[in-house]
Amino acid sequence: GQNIDQPTEMTATEGAIVQINCTYQTSGFNGLFWYQQHAGEAPTFLSYNVLDGLEEKGRFSSFLSRSKGYSYLLLKELQMKDSASYLCAVRDLYNNNDMRFGAGTRLTVKP
Amino acid sequence: DAGVIQSPRHEVTEMGQEVTLRCKLISGHNSLFWYRQTMMRGLELLIYFNNNVPIDDSGMPEDRFSAKMPNASFSTLKIQPSEPRDSAVYFCASGASNTGELFFGEGSRLTVL
Repeated sequence: GQNIDQPTEMTATEGAIVQINCTYQTSGFNGLFWYQQHAGEAPTFLSYNVLDGLEEKGRFSSFLSRSKGYSYLLLKELQMKDSASYLCAVRDLYNNNDMRFGAGTRLTVKP
Repeated sequence: DAGVIQSPRHEVTEMGQEVTLRCKLISGHNSLFWYRQTMMRGLELLIYFNNNVPIDDSGMPEDRFSAKMPNASFSTLKIQPSEPRDSAVYFCASGASNTGELFFGEGSRLTVL
C-alpha cells in the first residue's frame, strides 16, 4: 500500500519562496508527480521525478530523495495566482503502476 | 486536441436513482483513471484501466459502483442505486503510457439528495 503525507495548509507572501514537503511509503516506487489544483478546477501536471535530485521548471522546482521517501516542491517569486492546492502523487510498480494522491497542501499567497 | 472530456459537468439526483458519468480520453492515450474527490477524503483512486482492461478496481467503494471501457476512447462510471454519501466530484484522467503524467477532465460534480 501507499502512505502519502503532506501539510494541510501553508501561507506565504507574494514574491517569497515556499517549499511544500511530501513524504511517502510505497512498495514499488515508480515516479513522483506534483499537480496544482485551483479551487473548482481539475488538477494540472506540474512536475515529475523518478531519479534523485532536483528538476527545475521556471519558477517551480521539485526534488526527490528515494532513499528517504521524500520530495518537495519549491515555488519561487510567488504570485497571487499561485494560491491553490498542491497534490503529491506516487506511482507504485507493485500496485499495477497505479497513481495515488496525497490529500494536498492548500497554499495561500498574501500580498 | 480537446483534452479529456467528461459529462455531465453537474448532476443532481435523488437517492436510489442510477447515475452514469462519461469520459472521452485524449486520442492516443491508453491508460484511464477514475478518481473521486471530497473535502474529507481528498482525491481517491476508484479504478484504473490500461489498454481497455481494468487493472486495479480495489478503490471501487462497493457493488453499487461499476466502470466500463467499451472502446479505446470512452469510459463510463455507473452508480446504482446512488446514495447521498456518493456526492462528490468525479474526475476522469488519461495518460499516454502507464508511467507518464495524467491529464484530467474538468470533473463531474454529483449531488445525491
